[in-house]
Amino acid sequence: DTGVSQDPRHKITKRGQNVTFRCDPISEHNRLYWYRQTLGQGPEFLTYFQNEAQLEKSRLLSDRFSAERPKGSFSTLEIQRTEQGDSAMYLCASSSNPGSYQETQYFGPGTRLLVL
Amino acid sequence: ILNVEQSPQSLHVQEGDSTNFTCSFPSSNFYALHWYRWETAKSPEALFVMTLNGDEKKKGRISATLNTKEGYSYLYIKGSQPEDSATYLCAFKGGYSTLTFGKGTMLLVSP
Repeated sequence: DTGVSQDPRHKITKRGQNVTFRCDPISEHNRLYWYRQTLGQGPEFLTYFQNEAQLEKSRLLSDRFSAERPKGSFSTLEIQRTEQGDSAMYLCASSSNPGSYQETQYFGPGTRLLVL
Repeated sequence: ILNVEQSPQSLHVQEGDSTNFTCSFPSSNFYALHWYRWETAKSPEALFVMTLNGDEKKKGRISATLNTKEGYSYLYIKGSQPEDSATYLCAFKGGYSTLTFGKGTMLLVSP
């Protein structure tokens, strides 16, 4: 078990370009979360999946953002027409016992995005 | 909008000092309170999940307490070591909602 992995770890892009991030959760974890952390803030929830179903999306997730988890394993987060305000750390987390009081989310190392 | 506050924002202590941080959260609709430790360039590491009023949890030199009636949790580090340097995040879970994080407390322990 290698934990949650994310790729790439760093991404620099120009405003207006599209970017895609990948998250590989801990195997057999059926719930997967995406968060975004901007400077000076705690992580903020973006969206989550139960297996391949996207169950909730934050109002932070504008229509330029789309997330998928096609086979209930890895997930991708795409940002279209990036803006400088999208510069942030994008974190992925997974868990195996959703709905339990003791549900623990295990985080990946994040993808740091810089939009120039 | 849920309000989760952490204090202090940052803390600088000497090796061997004991220290504590505070997390305050809504006292209604409580489900769980999480503590994470996040070292630079690493993944946030889960420390504790606390669910019951009066809960006390311990992991090595780190311990945490929970008061759900008044909406606060304390994290204590006994005999701080340089390897304890990290940002400590708390996160509130109410009902079936997702985690709402505080801004964190950044701890620096000097040798």
